Amino acid sequence: QSALTQPRSVSGSPGQSVTISCTGTSNDVGRYNFVSWYHHHPGKAPKLLIYDVFKRPSGVPDRFSGSKSGNTASLTISGLQAEDDGDYYCCSYAGNYTSWVFGGGTTVTAL
Amino acid sequence: QLQLQESGPGLVRPSGTLSLTCAVSGGFVATRSFYWGWIRQSPGKGLELIATLYSDGTTHYTASLRSRLTVSMDTSKNQLSLRLTSVTVADTAVYYCVRLPLSGFDYSYYYIDVWGKGTSVAVSS
Repeated sequence: QSALTQPRSVSGSPGQSVTISCTGTSNDVGRYNFVSWYHHHPGKAPKLLIYDVFKRPSGVPDRFSGSKSGNTASLTISGLQAEDDGDYYCCSYAGNYTSWVFGGGTTVTAL
Repeated sequence: QLQLQESGPGLVRPSGTLSLTCAVSGGFVATRSFYWGWIRQSPGKGLELIATLYSDGTTHYTASLRSRLTVSMDTSKNQLSLRLTSVTVADTAVYYCVRLPLSGFDYSYYYIDVWGKGTSVAVSS
């Protein structure tokens, strides 16, 4: 059982916006601004989308955005595209070098 | 572009030792700007950061595996290694090699910027 709670799946039509929630506690998401999000196509290497709650690495489209309120972080995909299909995982630092917590993953489907 | 490629036996007998390597290309393991690490994903526990290491020899292990786990780097081969002893079925997982940028304000890390594709390990007799 994962420490961060994510919905198992979300779907949307191409061009729509979808939001994935990631709920933790006051000991992880609520305490630290070190939430990151990853996209994983099975068989490929997971890819960093967002770090430090809302920062986007170079090369990640600006239709991916991150935010946080209290113990819940969110990833929004604005203008869903077919290539956005796959699994999305959130992660939060939780106090020391290996005390990280992950979500169980959300499968996104562009209908 | 940095690439990480894990390799391992695929199947390990219970009570045996799991050994994995991670070949690094497009960059050098002996960098002061990054930590390196291992993450595993099992059906029972999900994703778990199990160990990290730095070029000065500093290592950090998750508490539950500290007595069985050793990670190291070979700068001459530009690769990382993981060794897990006394394995059980609970160690069955996909193991990923990762890179973690060193924070600009303290000697820690808070996200992963590069992952390998992972290697699947089954513990079974």
